[in-house]
Amino acid sequence: EAGVAQSPRYKIIEKRQSVAFWCNPISGHATLYWYQQILGQGPKLLIQFQNNGVVDDSQLPKDRFSAERLKGVDSTLKIQPAKLEDSAVYLCASSLVGPPGGGVSETQYFGPGTRLLVL
Amino acid sequence: LAKTTQPISMDSYEGQEVNITCSHNNIATNDYITWYQQFPSQGPRFIIQGYKTKVTNEVASLFIPADRKSSTLSLPRVSLSDTAVYYCLVGDEDGGRRALTFGSGTRLQVQP
Repeated sequence: EAGVAQSPRYKIIEKRQSVAFWCNPISGHATLYWYQQILGQGPKLLIQFQNNGVVDDSQLPKDRFSAERLKGVDSTLKIQPAKLEDSAVYLCASSLVGPPGGGVSETQYFGPGTRLLVL
Repeated sequence: LAKTTQPISMDSYEGQEVNITCSHNNIATNDYITWYQQFPSQGPRFIIQGYKTKVTNEVASLFIPADRKSSTLSLPRVSLSDTAVYYCLVGDEDGGRRALTFGSGTRLQVQP
């Protein structure tokens, strides 16, 4: 079974530029998550989709971050414009199901992440 | 949101048992507790998951007290390859809002 795919693996940009990350979840997984992991910290949930609907985006900085999951499969996360503090690893994960309003946490399978450096 | 806390680091020797505790005072009622392992430059990898009491699989055990406000990951007979960062993940409920929350992570260093 193929795992969660992410691209690019690395990206270096200057502040105020835009960047986009792509994620392809495990086939058949309804729920997709984007996390931000700053060096030395645990992952922080940015947004959670179930199929193509948003379950939780309470910690997504909506003035600069956006995400979409068209057709309930692949997803893209965009930052526009980037700030220095956005330097982090952006992780994508997927799970078989995830309850819309919360509840039992399903096992998440993570991709390798995209390491972003903002100069 | 209340924090999910773990010790920053632990040291051990090969063959020893290691216990890592996570404190999650505001765990959501219906949520499981999940533990992940992360190596450098990789995404977290699932280790074990439980709701209450004790769960055991081929790599670890998970102990959860009745109040579910903490959990302990137990790694029996660790080896050098167990050197990694370990995270707990819970649904944290504060002010009526639930959010998936990773702990701060515990860096385990296994020595020969």
